[in-house]
Amino acid sequence: KAGVTQTPRYLIKTRGQQVTLSCSPISGHRSVSWYQQTPGQGLQFLFEYFSETQRNKGNFPGRFSGRQFSNSRSEMNVSTLELGDSALYLCASNPGRGYEQYFGPGTRLTVT
Amino acid sequence: QQQVKQSPQSLIVQKGGISIINCAYENTAFDYFPWYQQFPGKGPALLIAIRPDVSEKKEGRFTISFNKSAKQFSLHIMDSQPGDSATYFCAASTAYSGAGSYQLTFGKGTKLSVIP
Repeated sequence: KAGVTQTPRYLIKTRGQQVTLSCSPISGHRSVSWYQQTPGQGLQFLFEYFSETQRNKGNFPGRFSGRQFSNSRSEMNVSTLELGDSALYLCASNPGRGYEQYFGPGTRLTVT
Repeated sequence: QQQVKQSPQSLIVQKGGISIINCAYENTAFDYFPWYQQFPGKGPALLIAIRPDVSEKKEGRFTISFNKSAKQFSLHIMDSQPGDSATYFCAASTAYSGAGSYQLTFGKGTKLSVIP
């Protein structure tokens, strides 16, 4: 099976702009989670989607949003970008309860 | 916010030595404890995981030791190799409880350097 894929892999944006990142989970996996990774804060949970419903949300401002489509693909959006949003954004997929989460390679976002 | 505390922040080990990374958690509802390995420019890769009903799990050179009463768990890498040089993250979740989320709470990571 193909792994988790994320597009684009690298992105440079300017403060105030918005950005949309995409994640395709492993075939058959219905749960998709997003994480932000920075040197200072480490890996922090953004949100989780299961069968197109947001099931859990981390402690991030409302500028961060996401959605999941019927084919389990997921997108996350960040509006009004700030310099502090520069990070590696990771997507992880999971087939269901009790199973491991598998991470994609991430999207490296740089905000200038 | 529930936390997982990881130590040390960095670790230098001679080739062939044992690398030990420790984690402690607070939330007794956690029922799944994975370890991830991350190389620069890559996403975290699942290395090994344990559930609290087991005190130890071994897979090849990697062993997790789990102490439920102390709320601590550790990763041991035997016969450490230069190729093991990476950042290691411990994590915890309620993956088995059906609590409705598979959210992973991560430690801050340990940068391991194995020198020849």
